[in-house]
Amino acid sequence: EDKVVQSPLSLVVHEGDTVTLNCSYEVTNFRSLLWYKQEKKAPTFLFMLTSSGIEKKSGRLSSILDKKELFSILNITATQTGDSAVYLCAVDGGNYGQNFVFGPGTRLSVLP
Amino acid sequence: DAGVTQSPTHLIKTRGQQVTLRCSPKSGHDTVSWYQQALGQGPQFIFQYYEEEERQRGNFPDRFSGHQFPNYSSELNVNALLLGDSALYLCASSLGLAGAGGAQYFGPGTRLLVL
Repeated sequence: EDKVVQSPLSLVVHEGDTVTLNCSYEVTNFRSLLWYKQEKKAPTFLFMLTSSGIEKKSGRLSSILDKKELFSILNITATQTGDSAVYLCAVDGGNYGQNFVFGPGTRLSVLP
Repeated sequence: DAGVTQSPTHLIKTRGQQVTLRCSPKSGHDTVSWYQQALGQGPQFIFQYYEEEERQRGNFPDRFSGHQFPNYSSELNVNALLLGDSALYLCASSLGLAGAGGAQYFGPGTRLLVL
C-alpha cells in the first residue's frame, strides 16, 4: 500500500528561525511529489517535484527531491508568523489517473 | 482567473440521509478529484474524474459516487450517511492526465457534519 510519512508532526519555532520539514514515501509508481500549505481550509500549492536533485525555490521556501532515497525536504528560512500552518506532502502514485497519497502533515507554529 | 469553487460551504445531515456536494474546477482545468479530510489528518483520495468518467478510485465504499459534467464541473454523492462521514470534503482540479500530470489546485471545501 502506498504510504507517505512526514516528520516532525509538530514544530514550534520563533520568528527568524530556519526550519526543515521532511517527507518520505513508498509508492509503487512514482510520478510526482507535491507540497501544500494549509492554513484554514483549502491547501494552497507550493511546489511540484518530479526530478531528483533539482531545487525548487519560491522566496524563502525551497524544496528538493531525492528519488533514490525516496524523500523530499521543504526548507523555510527566516520564518514569519504568517508561515504558521500545516504543511502537507503528497505523492502521485497513480497508474491510469492521478492518485495523490497525502501525509499527515507537519503543523508549524511560528511565535513572534 | 476563477479558482476552484465548491458548494455548499457547510452542511448538517442526519445518519442515513444522502448528500450531494458540488465543485467547479479552475478555469482551463478538465480533471477533478475529490478528497475527504478528517480533523487533524491529511486528505484521503476518494476518486478522480476526467472526460466524464471515473478514472481512479481510492479506498472508499460504493456509498460514495460521483459525476462529471460536460463543462468539467463535478458532484460528489454520499448515500446512507454515517457519523464517520463527518469531515471536510475537498475538491481539486488539474489539467489532463498525461505524463506526470499537473499540480492539483484545491477549492475551499465543504464541511459536512453528520448527526
